[in-house]
Amino acid sequence: SQTIHQWPATLVQPVGSPLSLECTVEGTSNPNLYWYRQAAGRGLQLLFYSVGIGQISSEVPQNLSASRPQDRQFILSSKKLLLSDSGFYLCAWSLGQGAGDEQFFGPGTRLTVL
Amino acid sequence: GQSLEQPSEVTAVEGAIVQINCTYQTSGFYGLSWYQQHDGGAPTFLSYNALDGLEETGRFSSFLSRSDSYGYLLLQELQMKDSASYFCAVQSGGSYIPTFGRGTSLIVHP
Repeated sequence: SQTIHQWPATLVQPVGSPLSLECTVEGTSNPNLYWYRQAAGRGLQLLFYSVGIGQISSEVPQNLSASRPQDRQFILSSKKLLLSDSGFYLCAWSLGQGAGDEQFFGPGTRLTVL
Repeated sequence: GQSLEQPSEVTAVEGAIVQINCTYQTSGFYGLSWYQQHDGGAPTFLSYNALDGLEETGRFSSFLSRSDSYGYLLLQELQMKDSASYFCAVQSGGSYIPTFGRGTSLIVHP
């Protein structure tokens, strides 16, 4: 069976500090991978997605970046965090089967920037 | 672009039936999905509709009307554990990546 891991679960960082969130998927090959951010009481905003190693698409301009160094590893980074980067970050994977493609979400990382 | 509208909050009592509506505006529509998210948890997939009509899965059903750009999630025999946020999400416009609505918070009272 497939599982998705994210760490850390919670993180408190000062403004201007770097960020690295990691996501790994087990039990599947060549998944599509996604990073979402969810602000309090809001929907899911797609930040990045990847259809393969080294292939990253960015949905919104921001001071975040993503990388996919291995097939089942997806990393979200920032060189200098802003207050507005606070939120709940969710990693997800899907089989990339087109219409009806179900997304499987990780447990999330709650980031607070002070 | 794409836009989705769903109520921000719905309340109901245990054992009742509740309907959560979702209207969307998009081009090149493929289908509508529903996800459930408990407070602090990960969203989980509930259903997907590509064609008009009702899809039933246990206590949950999802309906789609493509001509009206409208769908709803129907929850029957409500239980306290159904208290959660429910998101509709649309796939459209050449991309199979879903665009999520802002979610509906369902509060179930005893």
